[in-house]
Amino acid sequence: AQSVTQLGSHVSVSEGALVLLRCNYSSSVPPYLFWYVQYPNQGLQLLLKYTSAATLVKGINGFEAEFKKSETSFHLTKPSAHMSDAAEYFCAVSEGFNKFYFGSGTKLNVKP
Amino acid sequence: NAGVTQTPKFRVLKTGQSMTLLCAQDMNHEYMYWYRQDPGMGLRLIHYSVGEGTTAKGEVPDGYNVSRLKKQNFLLGLESAAPSQTSVYFCASSLTPGESGNTIYFGEGSWLTVV
Repeated sequence: AQSVTQLGSHVSVSEGALVLLRCNYSSSVPPYLFWYVQYPNQGLQLLLKYTSAATLVKGINGFEAEFKKSETSFHLTKPSAHMSDAAEYFCAVSEGFNKFYFGSGTKLNVKP
Repeated sequence: NAGVTQTPKFRVLKTGQSMTLLCAQDMNHEYMYWYRQDPGMGLRLIHYSVGEGTTAKGEVPDGYNVSRLKKQNFLLGLESAAPSQTSVYFCASSLTPGESGNTIYFGEGSWLTVV
């Protein structure tokens, strides 16, 4: 069965510091991978997605993620955190089983 | 471009009451989903639909029913609300998952409190 693991339910960084949110997946075939962001009291919005065109994917708001097949990972990074990045981030995968599978989410706190 | 629209946004119910959450999408998507989100538990799939007239159970279907009479609408019903159903409910829609990197789109959420 497909699974998505996000390491760390809470991550705290200082403003201007590197953001690294981890996502590992299990899949027997190359999957499609997604990162979503959820701001307080809102729905989930797509940040970026991997569809096998390029292993380094750039998304909105300066975020990017790198697909590493050997590590079955799709970690999300941003070089310099901004206060407005404080939100919950979800990693997701789909691979043709008629469903999307979501990780349990990581709440990002950005300290001034 | 409305995308996925949920109504109502907020609702307070008494235990035992019934209610229906309405979801509408204008993207001509075949697939529609209902999730619930609870603190520390991420998103859990309640029911989903792969097309008009079809529905299927997700991982937490008990206490809920759904209907997909029209392609653009997906209704979630609570027949007899319980405090354990206090949650935030999200509707979502997509084209076929796992094809061409199709994306799932979410509504803004419905906050339901059962007292």
